[in-house]
Amino acid sequence: AQSVTQLDSQVPVFEEAPVELRCNYSSSVSVYLFWYVQYPNQGLQLLLKYLSGSTLVKGINGFEAEFNKSQTSFHLRKPSVHISDTAEYFCAVSEGSGYNKLIFGAGTRLAVHP
Amino acid sequence: NAGVTQTPKFRVLKTGQSMTLLCAQDMNHEYMYWYRQDPGMGLRLIHYSVGEGTTAKGEVPDGYNVSRLKKQNFLLGLESAAPSQTSVYFCASSYSITTGALGYGYTFGSGTRLTVV
Repeated sequence: AQSVTQLDSQVPVFEEAPVELRCNYSSSVSVYLFWYVQYPNQGLQLLLKYLSGSTLVKGINGFEAEFNKSQTSFHLRKPSVHISDTAEYFCAVSEGSGYNKLIFGAGTRLAVHP
Repeated sequence: NAGVTQTPKFRVLKTGQSMTLLCAQDMNHEYMYWYRQDPGMGLRLIHYSVGEGTTAKGEVPDGYNVSRLKKQNFLLGLESAAPSQTSVYFCASSYSITTGALGYGYTFGSGTRLTVV
């Protein structure tokens, strides 16, 4: 069965510093990988996705993620964060065969401080 | 551009009461889902539907029922609410995998905050 582990529940960082949010997954088949962002009191929005092809994917708001099949990871990065990036970030995986049900990680709360 | 609309946004129930959460989408999506979000646990799938008139159980279906009588609506029911069902509930919708549109991801509603006392 597939599962997702987000290694940090909270990540504090200063404004304009780089950040990495870590995500590992387990699956016995090929996968699709996603990062979603949730701003306070809102639903989730798609940040970026990996379906196939280039392992480095770029998303909205300057975020990018790299798919590493050998390490079963899909870490999210941003070179310089803003106060407005403060939110909760969820990694999600969907197996490449059959029905596209998403399994979510527990989330990482990114807190950007001035 | 309404997307996915959830009603109500907030609700307080007494233990044993029943209620129905409504989810409506206007994107002609085939698939719809109900998740609950609890601190430190992320989103867990309660039930989902791959088309009008069909529903299936997710990870945590106990205590909930669903119906999808119309393609655009997906209802989540609590027959006898318990304090353990205090949570934030999210509805989402997506295209089916057969359309090749998985890359669009899910579209989420803004959530329903339910408290059972």
